Amino acid sequence: DTEVTQTPKHLVMGMTNKKSLKCEQHMGHRAMYWYKQKAKKPPELMFVYSYEKLSINESVPSRFSPECPNSSLLNLHLHALQPEDSALYLCASSQGEMGAGGATGELFFGEGSRLTVL
Amino acid sequence: EDQVTQSPEALRLQEGESSSLNCSYTVSGLRGLFWYRQDPGKGPEFLFTLYSAGEEKEKERLKATLTKKESFLHITAPKPEDSATYLCAVQEWDNAGNMLTFGGGTRLMVKP
Repeated sequence: DTEVTQTPKHLVMGMTNKKSLKCEQHMGHRAMYWYKQKAKKPPELMFVYSYEKLSINESVPSRFSPECPNSSLLNLHLHALQPEDSALYLCASSQGEMGAGGATGELFFGEGSRLTVL
Repeated sequence: EDQVTQSPEALRLQEGESSSLNCSYTVSGLRGLFWYRQDPGKGPEFLFTLYSAGEEKEKERLKATLTKKESFLHITAPKPEDSATYLCAVQEWDNAGNMLTFGGGTRLMVKP
């Protein structure tokens, strides 16, 4: 069983809707990530939080808004999405702080939230 | 610019037919190379970390090796349950954080 829990597993929304994806981990990891994955493509990094602070935003459109309420929770708020935003959204976490030093590429991924935008 | 290329894109094997997946990379300074397994509709699952050329890691039927330019994932006597997409990713020393550059993946299908 994955130790990173994502909800909902599936989400269908219209272009005018506002919805949120949620992610939770209880491994004590200090870095959390949002990735977007299209079919038959590798995951694409969207955002990185380190110690609850946004450290990396990979030029993601403002219709995606991340939030890290505490060290165990990560949200992705969605508003005015486009059909091309339909994808599998993956949350991940890792030990260690950002930058040189303790960083590791060993990520623990959740099972993802399958988003369909109509 | 970092580049990670996996080959083949897809591979069909008979059960018991051993083979290798390739991951070639171009980075200025390799911090680590990572292999992940991804089942359809699920998130990737971490398999191995390799740090330096000559290093090898094994787990059940899988063995990962690393040279200065590429990594191989050897699958010995595969079973149908090994069917999945295998992703490799590299992390370099220069980047701002835990950023991974993923390859395109190899979709493996093992037929009974």
